[in-house]
Amino acid sequence: KAGVTQTPRYLIKTRGQQVTLSCSPISGHRSVSWYQQTPGQGLQFLFEYFSETQRNKGNFPGRFSGRQFSNSRSEMNVSTLELGDSALYLCASSLDGAGRGNTIYFGEGSWLTVV
Amino acid sequence: GQSLEQPSEVTAVEGAIVQINCTYQTSGFYGLSWYQQHDGGAPTFLSYNGLDGLEETGRFSSFLSRSDSYGYLLLQELQMKDSASYFCAVRDQTGANNLFFGTGTRLTVIP
Repeated sequence: KAGVTQTPRYLIKTRGQQVTLSCSPISGHRSVSWYQQTPGQGLQFLFEYFSETQRNKGNFPGRFSGRQFSNSRSEMNVSTLELGDSALYLCASSLDGAGRGNTIYFGEGSWLTVV
Repeated sequence: GQSLEQPSEVTAVEGAIVQINCTYQTSGFYGLSWYQQHDGGAPTFLSYNGLDGLEETGRFSSFLSRSDSYGYLLLQELQMKDSASYFCAVRDQTGANNLFFGTGTRLTVIP
């Protein structure tokens, strides 16, 4: 069974540009969540999608957005990039988000550098 | 709001036992999870406690005391490959995958 796949793995963008990151969850998983990881702030929740609907959202500005498609694949977009957006962006999937175990599976992440 | 506190660094000897503590404050509570992350890798799920007590999975065990808002991860028979960052995480809503992570504990296993 393939794991969570994120593309691209590495990218460099210029301040003011926008970026779109893609995530393919584990087959059969309907919940996809996104996290930002930085050395200073650690792992922070961005948002979660379930059945194409945003179910939860973290404390990030509106420049950060996402969506989920009918096949559960998800994308996140960051507009008007700032230097502070440089981070590892992690996608995680789970069956439905409920139940014991709280087992979510992370992808390898997309390393974004803003220059 | 939520907050989780973990020690920033722990060093232990190969073959020994190490305990990583996590204290939390959350508005709601639906379980404490532990994740391991090697440098450059993805966080991987280790253990989950929804109720008080000890959960054992091989060399790893996790404990939760909801009355104390406290949990720990216990790693036994440490191996060099256990050198990694360990994160505790809480969920404040049932059925949701918005985990709130602690700042992580960097474990270094030395020979």
